[in-house]
Amino acid sequence: DQQVKQNSPSLSVQEGRISILNCDYTNSMFDYFLWYKKYPAEGPTFLISISSIKDKNEDGRFTVFLNKSAKHLSLHIVPSQPGDSAVYFCAARSPQGGSEKLVFGKGTKLTVNP
Amino acid sequence: EAGVAQSPRYKIIEKRQSVAFWCNPISGHATLYWYQQILGQGPKLLIQFQNNGVVDDSQLPKDRFSAERLKGVDSTLKIQPAKLEDSAVYLCASSRLNRENIQYFGAGTRLSVL
Repeated sequence: DQQVKQNSPSLSVQEGRISILNCDYTNSMFDYFLWYKKYPAEGPTFLISISSIKDKNEDGRFTVFLNKSAKHLSLHIVPSQPGDSAVYFCAARSPQGGSEKLVFGKGTKLTVNP
Repeated sequence: EAGVAQSPRYKIIEKRQSVAFWCNPISGHATLYWYQQILGQGPKLLIQFQNNGVVDDSQLPKDRFSAERLKGVDSTLKIQPAKLEDSAVYLCASSRLNRENIQYFGAGTRLSVL
């Protein structure tokens, strides 16, 4: 039962253009959503988050949009840079019984071409 | 601020052998997590500690996996005996007690079971 889904395994964009990474979820009890970026041979690093009570959060070139009715969120990177090439994981926080565990999607590999 | 430290970085063992991983979280982080990331998947939570108590170990295969966090700081994860399907990257993460549950990850230990 995959509660967080990233349906695009990979995405390729040109430098300077917009990258849009998508994520769908099924559990309406999730209260926070986070995006992590992962380079090869490194652990995931936190990128940006959004509370379930908001619909947008922006941090520099990165913006996350949340559509609760559609149970969908997206990460926009503008403008995309070659250094953004990495695997991006969508994660959702499940507050249950004191455990604030994160449920991760399978990831989307972003390639930004110079 | 030093990040999450994990060792070893790589480990190759034969099935039925035992193996142990070590994690030192970020100083002051009360919560520590162990994740298993199988190739092509997102990280999956195995166990969560708050200080030195277990909060969630519902997805830990307790017949072969064990974990402890002595004195609420360092933690070890052990597999005994290992199976082929345990081949994965084992990630340790830590976090402060906060609403967003931003978790900071170590580089992980890549385990190959032959």
